Amino acid sequence: GNSVTQMEGPVTLSEEAFLTINCTYTATGYPSLFWYVQYPGEGLQLLLKATKADDKGSNKGFEATYRKETTSFHLEKGSVQVSDSAVYFCALSDIIGNQFYFGTGTSLTVIP
Amino acid sequence: SQTIHQWPATLVQPVGSPLSLECTVEGTSNPNLYWYRQAAGRGLQLLFYSVGIGQISSEVPQNLSASRPQDRQFILSSKKLLLSDSGFYLCAWSVARRIRVHTEAFFGQGTRLTVV
Repeated sequence: GNSVTQMEGPVTLSEEAFLTINCTYTATGYPSLFWYVQYPGEGLQLLLKATKADDKGSNKGFEATYRKETTSFHLEKGSVQVSDSAVYFCALSDIIGNQFYFGTGTSLTVIP
Repeated sequence: SQTIHQWPATLVQPVGSPLSLECTVEGTSNPNLYWYRQAAGRGLQLLFYSVGIGQISSEVPQNLSASRPQDRQFILSSKKLLLSDSGFYLCAWSVARRIRVHTEAFFGQGTRLTVV
C-alpha cells in the first residue's frame, strides 16, 4: 500500500540555521511527491512538488529531491527565518487512484 | 483561476446537534473532492473523497456522512455530533486523474469545530 513517514517533531531552530525534515515513502508505481506547509489556523498550502525520479522541487528557498533508490523526499532549507515557523507535511499521490497520503506533520519553530 | 471556499471558519456545537459544513470550488469542472479531519497536534485523516456527483467513498466508519449534490459542491454532515468529532476539518480538491495524472491537492482554509 501507500504511506508516508516523516520525521517526528517538534523541531526548534535558531534563525539562519540549516533545516532538514526527513520524509520516506512506500508506494506502488511512480507517485508524485509533495511538501505542504500549514500556518496556524489555516489550511495547507503547496510548498513544492516533484513528479518523477531525480526531480528537484523548489520554492521560497526550500528544496526537496525525489530519490527513488532511497524512496525519500527530504525537505531542506539553507537558512531558516522566523516566518518559516509552521507545520510541514510530506505527501504522495499515486497515479492510478484518487487519493493523497500524508505524513503526520512536523512542527517547526524558528527563534530569533 | 481556481478557488475553494469552505465555511464556516469556526463552529461551536453541542453534543447531539446536527452538523453541516459546506465546500465549493470555482474555476474548474469535474474536480476530485476530499474531506479531511485534523485532530489537535496530529496529522490528516481522510474522511471522504468523491470523483463525481453522487459518488462518495468513505475511508473511516463514523457518524459523519458526505454528499456531493452538485459538481463543485461537497457537504460534510452529521445527524448527532459526538465530543470526539471536534477538530479541524479541511476540504480539498484536485484535478481528475483522467485529465492530469500528476496533480496536487488544493485546500480550503478549514473549519474549526468544537463540540461541547
